[in-house]
Amino acid sequence: DAGVIQSPRHEVTEMGQEVTLRCKLISGHNSLFWYRQTMMRGLELLIYFNNNVPIDDSGMPEDRFSAKMPNASFSTLKIQPSEPRDSAVYFCASTNRDRVRNGYTFGSGTRLTVV
Amino acid sequence: DAKTTQPPSMDCAEGRAANLPCNHSTISGNEYVYWYRQIHSQGPQYIIHGLKNNETNEMASLIITEDRKSSTLILPHATLRDTAVYYCIVGFNTNAGKSTFGDGTTLTVKP
Repeated sequence: DAGVIQSPRHEVTEMGQEVTLRCKLISGHNSLFWYRQTMMRGLELLIYFNNNVPIDDSGMPEDRFSAKMPNASFSTLKIQPSEPRDSAVYFCASTNRDRVRNGYTFGSGTRLTVV
Repeated sequence: DAKTTQPPSMDCAEGRAANLPCNHSTISGNEYVYWYRQIHSQGPQYIIHGLKNNETNEMASLIITEDRKSSTLILPHATLRDTAVYYCIVGFNTNAGKSTFGDGTTLTVKP
C-alpha cells in the first residue's frame, strides 16, 4: 500500500498565480480531508468529502480556495489567485468511513510558499 | 465536538515510559478519543483510539478514566524516534477528522 500520495512536495509561486495541490487516496478509502498547517494557527481542517461529495467546507478560508474530487481516488485543492498568507503546509488524509476506527492516514504534505 | 487540553511540552528519558495526559471534560457519550503524533516535517500519524475501555496496540496504550473526562497515552519504552508533537482529539467515529487538533504536546525523548 503506497499510502496517501500528495504532489508536489514543495511549491513556490508568485502572488496572483493559480496553485493546484493534488492528493491520491488509499485504495478502498471513501473519505478525504484537506488540512492546512501554519505556526500561527496549527492544523486546520479545510474541507472533507464522503464518497466524492463535499460534506463540510466551512473551513475553507475564502472563495479563492476550491476543492474537487473528480473520481473516488483523487482530489485537488486549488487556490486562485494565491496570496503570501496562503503559505503553509497542506495535508490531505483519507479513511474508509465505514471503518474509521482504523484512523485517518495522512499524506506527507505539500509545502506551499507564495512570494 | 469536545475540546481537549494538553500540556505544551514534556520530556522523557530514553527507555522509560512516556505518559501523555489529555483532558476532555466536555466529551459526549459517543465521542471517541483519538491520538495522533506528528514528527517534524511529516504528516500526522494515527496512534490509537478508544471509547470507554483501555486500549493497547503495537505502538501505545490508551487509558481512559471511568468518567471519560481525561485520558493518558502511554509509550511504554520511549525511543529518540518518538520525539514528536502528540495530539489528542475527540470526535464521533463518523467524522473525527472534523475535530480540532489543538496545539498538542511536544514530547522530547532524551538520551
